[in-house]
Amino acid sequence: AQSVTQLDSQVPVFEEAPVELRCNYSSSVSVYLFWYVQYPNQGLQLLLKYLSGSTLVKGINGFEAEFNKSQTSFHLREPSVHISDTAEYFCAVSDLSWGKFQFGAGTQVVVTP
Amino acid sequence: NAGVTQTPKFRVLKTGQSMTLLCAQDMNHEYMYWYRQDPGMGLRLIHYSVGEGTTAKGEVPDGYNVSRLKKQNFLLGLESAAPSQTSVYFCASRTSETNTGELFFGEGSRLTVL
Repeated sequence: AQSVTQLDSQVPVFEEAPVELRCNYSSSVSVYLFWYVQYPNQGLQLLLKYLSGSTLVKGINGFEAEFNKSQTSFHLREPSVHISDTAEYFCAVSDLSWGKFQFGAGTQVVVTP
Repeated sequence: NAGVTQTPKFRVLKTGQSMTLLCAQDMNHEYMYWYRQDPGMGLRLIHYSVGEGTTAKGEVPDGYNVSRLKKQNFLLGLESAAPSQTSVYFCASRTSETNTGELFFGEGSRLTVL
């Protein structure tokens, strides 16, 4: 079984400032890792994913995340946020078989001018 | 391209009433899922299906039933609604190819049980 912990429930940030959203996971097997974004009143959209290869993955809108196997972390970073990045962000893990996803509780990012 | 479509988008029920949420996907995906989203709890898996005619329980299946009679449709039923089932419900689907892994979500169905 897997579990996902998002360490911050809410992150306020000023426009054009950097932001880091923390995600730690636990699993007894190898996993895939994902970040999803949910804009207000919408479903979740994939932001980026780590399946294999380079531990630094880049996603849409300038977001990137780094997989750290020794620390079992997959933190998300954005070097310069925009007002439009205001949303809830979910970290998720999936095993390598048929893909049962486990989601974190979410981190609400509020970007202000 | 519609992707994943959920109906209805909003519904208000009285305790004890029944209803069915419909999820339809046009991507020929094998796997389909029903999640509920509650504040501070992320998404919790209710039931899932790995193919037409198959269903299985997820993390929080009590009070819900599902059916997958056609590959493109996944129905979630509440036989006797309770206030604890007030939530936003999301359907998702994905291909069975493990080298992609991405879940595609519908826009959600907001259910209120009075």
